[in-house]
Amino acid sequence: AQSVTQPDIHITVSEGASLELRCNYSYGATPYLFWYVQSPGQGLQLLLKYFSGDTLVQGIKGFEAEFKRSQSSFNLRKPSVHWSDAAEYFCAVGDGNQFYFGTGTSLTVIP
Amino acid sequence: DSGVTQTPKHLITATGQRVTLRCSPRSGDLSVYWYQQSLDQGLQFLIQYYNGEERAKGNILERFSAQQFPDLHSELNLSSLELGDSALYFCASSVGGADEQYFGPGTRLTVT
Repeated sequence: AQSVTQPDIHITVSEGASLELRCNYSYGATPYLFWYVQSPGQGLQLLLKYFSGDTLVQGIKGFEAEFKRSQSSFNLRKPSVHWSDAAEYFCAVGDGNQFYFGTGTSLTVIP
Repeated sequence: DSGVTQTPKHLITATGQRVTLRCSPRSGDLSVYWYQQSLDQGLQFLIQYYNGEERAKGNILERFSAQQFPDLHSELNLSSLELGDSALYFCASSVGGADEQYFGPGTRLTVT
């Protein structure tokens, strides 16, 4: 069965520092991969997606993610974090019918 | 604004009661998904409808049911409510079954 693992429950970074959020998935074929962000009390907002092609994808708010098939990973990165990036981040894999979400990584940004 | 609307925003009800949550997908989207988000269980997929037909089922309890109407809006019915059903319920929509999902703002259900 498909599954998504986000090994870091909580991450704290300083404003201006770089960020990498990890995501590993289990899926037999080439998956559809997504990153979502959820601010407190809000719904989930799509940051970026990977369907095929270039393995480095750019998203909104300066985020990017790289698909590495050999490592079954789709890590999210940002070169310089802003205080407004503090939120919960979810990785998801789609198989054409369902989405499977990771348990999320909570990001705290220190001024 | 994702274009997905959910009503009501908040709902407070008592154990044993029944409630209906409503979702209107983005214009042009045929798929609707329901999710439950609670502190202890995270984001759980409940059910998906595509163009009026049930497409996929996740961790949906038998006390819960959903449907998608001809105008593509969807309703999630929760009955015999228990304290543990208190959660945020999200609706999402997508064009098809494999495309990115767009989430509504959620309905916060509190069962007392």
